[in-house]
Amino acid sequence: QKEVEQDPGPLSVPEGAIVSLNCTYSNSAFQYFMWYRQYSRKGPELLMYTYSSGNKEDGRFTAQVDKSSKYISLFIRDSQPSDSATYLCANRKGASGGSYIPTFGRGTSLIVHP
Amino acid sequence: DVKVTQSSRYLVKRTGEKVFLECVQDMDHENMFWYRQDPGLGLRLIYFSYDVKMKEKGDIPEGYSVSREKKERFSLILESASTNQTSMYLCASTPGHSGGQPQHFGDGTRLSIL
Repeated sequence: QKEVEQDPGPLSVPEGAIVSLNCTYSNSAFQYFMWYRQYSRKGPELLMYTYSSGNKEDGRFTAQVDKSSKYISLFIRDSQPSDSATYLCANRKGASGGSYIPTFGRGTSLIVHP
Repeated sequence: DVKVTQSSRYLVKRTGEKVFLECVQDMDHENMFWYRQDPGLGLRLIYFSYDVKMKEKGDIPEGYSVSREKKERFSLILESASTNQTSMYLCASTPGHSGGQPQHFGDGTRLSIL
């Protein structure tokens, strides 16, 4: 079992829909949780970053972490065609040897059609 | 904003050639990373470095080497390029050895080995 799992999709939604992207992990040592957005032929860019369980909101984006279930979600409200990209979930352990190396999921492809 | 610059966006080389991929970051980050990204396989860590002249193997170091002579520059070397090294190569950096700082990525080098 891969440490960080994502459904590869593609997930296709109409413009304006609420999108839910999900990620599960198996290592309870993970303490930092990140979402990256990657457009075609570009590098991943950091979208959301959180340390604890609960919700973190930034504009149309909300990251939700449930450590008890080892389940991470990214919600996108009022989705736009410009949100079409691959979304990578990444998790990191706390302060210990090699802790700065994250484990990435394989990404979920999102298509928002007009 | 952190800037991670990869010297080439697209590169075509021949089997057996020695190939150099260059990466420069402008934020005085201690840690630098090289990944390759392939469809269905996600991001795979090749090598990383936590200080000048220091290097550590990642998950798939075979066929690659790295060089870090200056803090801001991290080079990936394909000693004798093979067709199975055709891929998207991504460089990333992050400050410090612990704490919550996420990685910042360059835009990638799409390398084709003929």
